[in-house]
Amino acid sequence: DGGITQSPKYLFRKEGQNVTLSCEQNLNHDAMYWYRQDPGQGLRLIYYSQIVNDFQKGDIAEGYSVSREKKESFPLTVTSAQKNPTAFYLCASSIEDLNQPQHFGDGTRLSIL
Amino acid sequence: GESVGLHLPTLSVQEGDNSIINCAYSNSASDYFIWYKQESGKGPQFIIDIRSNMDKRQGQRVTVLLNKTVKHLSLQIAATQPGDSAVYFCAAGGPYSSASKIIFGSGTRLSIRP
Repeated sequence: DGGITQSPKYLFRKEGQNVTLSCEQNLNHDAMYWYRQDPGQGLRLIYYSQIVNDFQKGDIAEGYSVSREKKESFPLTVTSAQKNPTAFYLCASSIEDLNQPQHFGDGTRLSIL
Repeated sequence: GESVGLHLPTLSVQEGDNSIINCAYSNSASDYFIWYKQESGKGPQFIIDIRSNMDKRQGQRVTVLLNKTVKHLSLQIAATQPGDSAVYFCAAGGPYSSASKIIFGSGTRLSIRP
């Protein structure tokens, strides 16, 4: 079955530590996205990539970094500069970066130790 | 700024009844609307979408209604079942634009009474 796999499901970060969240898709989609979900709020876009080797900042990119070296993979690094990283992180993909349904992974919940 | 909001944070419905979840959006230029279902601990799952050239679209047990005049859309779930328990949220996008411009609402939690 095609889909998006996010790992790990739960992640704990120590102060001053960078952590990387994995996102892999086998849907052959060009576009991939990272969102942050906080209680009582809508999804907020962190970074997105329309095609391999290219990515753009979303609305809340500060303290995060990404790479898109392969079509299937779009890892997100939460750096120590992100002062409030506790959240549920969702990766999504779509065939192309146009208004159409996005396929989501099952998320990674990041907490601070 | 632009916003998408759900009218009620929670909704309780009797099993077998119809559920109606409402959503309002602020940008009159929005022309693409999506409903997602999110179960606890999981990612959002696409339910149905509608573009602004339509007022109504039906899927399996679901219907989305769009009223562009008052910038309102609703999701109707027929014969609500226990498996429908989840958070439902709407999203709105601009005309033929990047999906990065899609604005998501905060969600309505639907619970089913036996």
